[in-house]
Amino acid sequence: DVKVTQSSRYLVKRTGEKVFLECVQDMDHENMFWYRQDPGLGLRLIYFSYDVKMKEKGDIPEGYSVSREKKERFSLILESASTNQTSMYLCASKITGVNTEAFFGQGTRLTVV
Amino acid sequence: GQQLNQSPQSMFIQEGEDVSMNCTSSSIFNTWLWYKQDPGEGPVLLIALYKAGELTSNGRLTAQFGITRKDSFLNISASIPSDVGIYFCAGLNTDKLIFGTGTRLQVFP
Repeated sequence: DVKVTQSSRYLVKRTGEKVFLECVQDMDHENMFWYRQDPGLGLRLIYFSYDVKMKEKGDIPEGYSVSREKKERFSLILESASTNQTSMYLCASKITGVNTEAFFGQGTRLTVV
Repeated sequence: GQQLNQSPQSMFIQEGEDVSMNCTSSSIFNTWLWYKQDPGEGPVLLIALYKAGELTSNGRLTAQFGITRKDSFLNISASIPSDVGIYFCAGLNTDKLIFGTGTRLQVFP
């Protein structure tokens, strides 16, 4: 079974803190994604990584950065957390190509106070 | 950013009823995926479709890849209370996943 694991289920951080969200997958997938999910807005892509050290901005990259130093790990970084970044964050991975399936982690609910 | 048009937005049905939802796009996709999300959890893959016209079942779930490659449909037969959740479609035509806006399903006993 494919396993995508996010480091925390729930996180509470203070405004201005630097926040790291970690995602690890165990299936040697090339592609990894970070989404945020907010009520009424669906899943919005923050960043996408084609492969190690490769990244591409998604639809809402402002206020975020990412790191992909190893194939299995994709980190999302909130440089200076703000209250409008309170959200559910979802990581996904898949093998490269278009006839493939993507698998999600369990999600991290981040609250910035 | 691009999102797929998914309808209906929400459904309130009685246990035992059948459910239909669909997803449409202005773009062509090579793959359609359907996910279910329980409250507070990540989406779980239900069905994957790879060919135009393909009809695939997974238990009480049946999904179809539209002939035009611009739409997909999901049907749930004989709904049960544990079908409650949000259902998402997703399309792939490059390495990026594009998601629908979701259908929230409520099932009443």
